[in-house]
Amino acid sequence: GAGVSQSPRYKVAKRGQDVALRCDPISGHVSLFWYQQALGQGPEFLTYFQNEAQLDKSGLPSDRFFAERPEGSVSTLKIQRTQQEDSAVYLCATVQRKPFASGRTDTQYFGPGTRLTVL
Amino acid sequence: GIQVEQSPPDLILQEGANSTLRCNFSDSVNNLQWFHQNPWGQLINLFYIPSGTKQNGRLSATTVATERYSLLYISSSQTTDSGVYFCAVERSGGTSYGKLTFGQGTILTVHP
Repeated sequence: GAGVSQSPRYKVAKRGQDVALRCDPISGHVSLFWYQQALGQGPEFLTYFQNEAQLDKSGLPSDRFFAERPEGSVSTLKIQRTQQEDSAVYLCATVQRKPFASGRTDTQYFGPGTRLTVL
Repeated sequence: GIQVEQSPPDLILQEGANSTLRCNFSDSVNNLQWFHQNPWGQLINLFYIPSGTKQNGRLSATTVATERYSLLYISSSQTTDSGVYFCAVERSGGTSYGKLTFGQGTILTVHP
């Protein structure tokens, strides 16, 4: 498997439940992003890791959302006390290198996503 | 933040037709990518093209960074080209780390 993988692919949660979504990046990829895609919309940025450091979490919609990447590889997005408005596809993307000194960044490769439905 | 507008929002073609999708953006960019989202939701990289022209088989793309737009050309369309095409950009300057801002997408339907 050379690509980004995510699990589970589908998750149904009752309102108020906690969920954990996993992202396995391409081996050796330094940068990792989480995006949220609502139905009929383009993906929207949630958070960014460079190795194990979470450098930007400005897109997380509330303090119920938490992400980690403790060893700089696998990442987990956790949503506490899920609400119906959290229903969306959650996408993980990884990049081989950190940004260049010029500011230019490299190609992002996306996983298949986790479709979360909150009832 | 940067604005990304894609046109047309919907496009219906007969197999074999050619098409052009457009992406306008409101600021200078470090990164521009075109993606195809297939019916199963997978975002597939088509082009990494912050400037210039690239071709890959029946697809080609051109980005004119100074005029803040990019075009995706699909020639001799096939039913497997159906899906949503997204343009995504990273604004230059600041510390965006590669954070992509997506357009709303163009929904392409190719009929046999």
